[in-house]
Amino acid sequence: NAGVMQNPRHLVRRRGQEARLRCSPMKGHSHVYWYRQLPEEGLKFMVYLQKENIIDESGMPKERFSAEFPKEGPSILRIQQVVRGDSAAYFCASSTRPGGANRGATEAFFGQGTRLTVV
Amino acid sequence: GENVEQHPSTLSVQEGDSAVIKCTYSDSASNYFPWYKQELGKRPQLIIDIRSNVGEKKDQRIAVTLNKTAKHFSLHITETQPEDSAVYFCAASMEGNKLTFGTGTQLKVEL
Repeated sequence: NAGVMQNPRHLVRRRGQEARLRCSPMKGHSHVYWYRQLPEEGLKFMVYLQKENIIDESGMPKERFSAEFPKEGPSILRIQQVVRGDSAAYFCASSTRPGGANRGATEAFFGQGTRLTVV
Repeated sequence: GENVEQHPSTLSVQEGDSAVIKCTYSDSASNYFPWYKQELGKRPQLIIDIRSNVGEKKDQRIAVTLNKTAKHFSLHITETQPEDSAVYFCAASMEGNKLTFGTGTQLKVEL
């Protein structure tokens, strides 16, 4: 059972270009989460998606960033017109359906991340 | 929203000693508290977690305690080894798995 797969592992973009980061969740997982990790910092939540639905995008910057999780294929995090401040590691995590009121949340498994460098 | 604080930011211990990392959270609705270990340049890996209906959980040399009243939880590593050196993150979550992470603790186990 393959883990969470992210690609590319490393991505270099010039300022103003678009970056597309892909995430394939673990088999059987229908919930995908994107986190950003700036150098020497912790992970910050960006967006939570289920198939064809954005559940929570409270951590997404208002402009230039978008995410989708289509019915078929991987989840995509898209950054338009990248700037140097977008340079970071972007991690995707997946989990099974969250438990009910008496079971609580379930484990999230992380991919290897995409390290975006904007030059 | 949830806010998680983590201390200390760096921790050096001698091999064989114990290491303790502490976290506090703000939202009493949080009911899931995982701990992740991240080695340099690698993915965060879940090492242990605890749910709000349990006060303590142990897995070999690693244990986690939770005090819901005080809203704090701690990671305990006993008999530390050099391979325990890494950055450790605590996190808190409510239903839906959006994790709010602490700022991390750089643990260094010295020979």
